Amino acid sequence: DAGVTQSPTHLIKTRGQHVTLRCSPISGHKSVSWYQQVLGQGPQFIFQYYEKEERGRGNFPDRFSARQFPNYSSELNVNALLLGDSALYLCASSFGGGGVAEAFFGQGTRLTVV
Amino acid sequence: QKEVEQNSGPLSVPEGAIASLNCTYSDRVSQSFFWYRQYSGKSPELIMSIYSNGDKEDGRFTAQLNKASQYVSLLIRDSQPSDSATYLCAGTRGSYIPTFGRGTSLIVHP
Repeated sequence: DAGVTQSPTHLIKTRGQHVTLRCSPISGHKSVSWYQQVLGQGPQFIFQYYEKEERGRGNFPDRFSARQFPNYSSELNVNALLLGDSALYLCASSFGGGGVAEAFFGQGTRLTVV
Repeated sequence: QKEVEQNSGPLSVPEGAIASLNCTYSDRVSQSFFWYRQYSGKSPELIMSIYSNGDKEDGRFTAQLNKASQYVSLLIRDSQPSDSATYLCAGTRGSYIPTFGRGTSLIVHP
């Protein structure tokens, strides 16, 4: 049974560029959340989508956006990349709309901005 | 005050000992709390959830919640070297916004 899958696993971008990260949830899960984790810190909540609707947004600038598709997969988009956006981006899926309780994390996308 | 606070450690314990990991939270965090384990270079894995005051046990793990003191802890009995990881405490702000602490690094030495 496939877990949460994220692509790509690693990515190097230049400042000012745009990036799209992708996430496929566990089959049957309807909620996807995105997190940013910098070295030495816990994951910071970016977005949660449930049934294709945005349910929550963390304290991130408008350069960050996301969407969820009819098959419940999701994309996270970041525009005008800054060096400080370098981090591990985690996607988590859950069956219901709950935040953390039933959440299963993907392996993450390591984004490096140079 | 940060919403969820953890000592970054590292906490070093000998194999077979009890490891005690602690977390405090602010008024902005509600009643649902979770412990995640994160191995180096890997993604977080849910270990336990706790919603009410008291203790909750699952195998070698015991989570403790004290709402009056705004304190959550995780005890790991009979610690093994394979338990060496970063342990993340998380709470829920509002109805579903998850808030993580920075994590405590645990080292179990043989």
